[in-house]
Amino acid sequence: EVRLVESGGGLVQPGGSLRLSCATSGFTFRHYAMNWVRQAPGKGLEWVSSMSGGGGRSYYAASVKGRFTISRDNSNNMVFLQMNSLRAEDTAVYYCAKVRYGDYPPWDYWGQGTVVSVSS
Amino acid sequence: DIQMTQSPSSLSASIGDSVIITCQASQDISSFLSWYQQRPGKAPNLLIYDATTLQTGVPSRFRGSGSGTHFTFTISSLQPEDVATYYCQQYDSLPYSLGQGTKLEIK
Repeated sequence: EVRLVESGGGLVQPGGSLRLSCATSGFTFRHYAMNWVRQAPGKGLEWVSSMSGGGGRSYYAASVKGRFTISRDNSNNMVFLQMNSLRAEDTAVYYCAKVRYGDYPPWDYWGQGTVVSVSS
Repeated sequence: DIQMTQSPSSLSASIGDSVIITCQASQDISSFLSWYQQRPGKAPNLLIYDATTLQTGVPSRFRGSGSGTHFTFTISSLQPEDVATYYCQQYDSLPYSLGQGTKLEIK
């Protein structure tokens, strides 16, 4: 059974940092790109970042480029999102999502999400 | 960047009705389109990918069609458990973009 479990969310002040983690199981992790997708309160889904299965390629939405860094540990089947210089507009539920095949969407499995609140 | 425009933004239908949601891409995305269902308080769930292919385990009352810039998502014979928000997503090119969502309610 495929499982994705996010952690690391919380309340942080503007300008602060958080590191999100996503622990996975049930599939050959290194074979699949992993993504972070967020959803602000009452809003739609927004793709944040993607990393290839081997970790050699990473991509970011313009809204987070230069502030967020995606990484992965293929030995422990985990993906991370380091978030720096956080802003109020980064407040959202953050989901990690596995691609269905290879390096590209669609995303066939999602975690339950972790809540990030940026507020003073 | 490719913009995805869904319509309607919300709709209300009766049990057993057919429901149609459309998604327009701002440029040709071939068939690189998926549809997700997000029930209240839950993570999204993949329903359809490559515009027309039903994800394993998804009921056959869900159907996708279209290619290029115009896509359609249909639920035939609406069920109570279909109450959700539905999103289209393009994966033709980065940044991957999603529609604004269509909130479906039961009359």
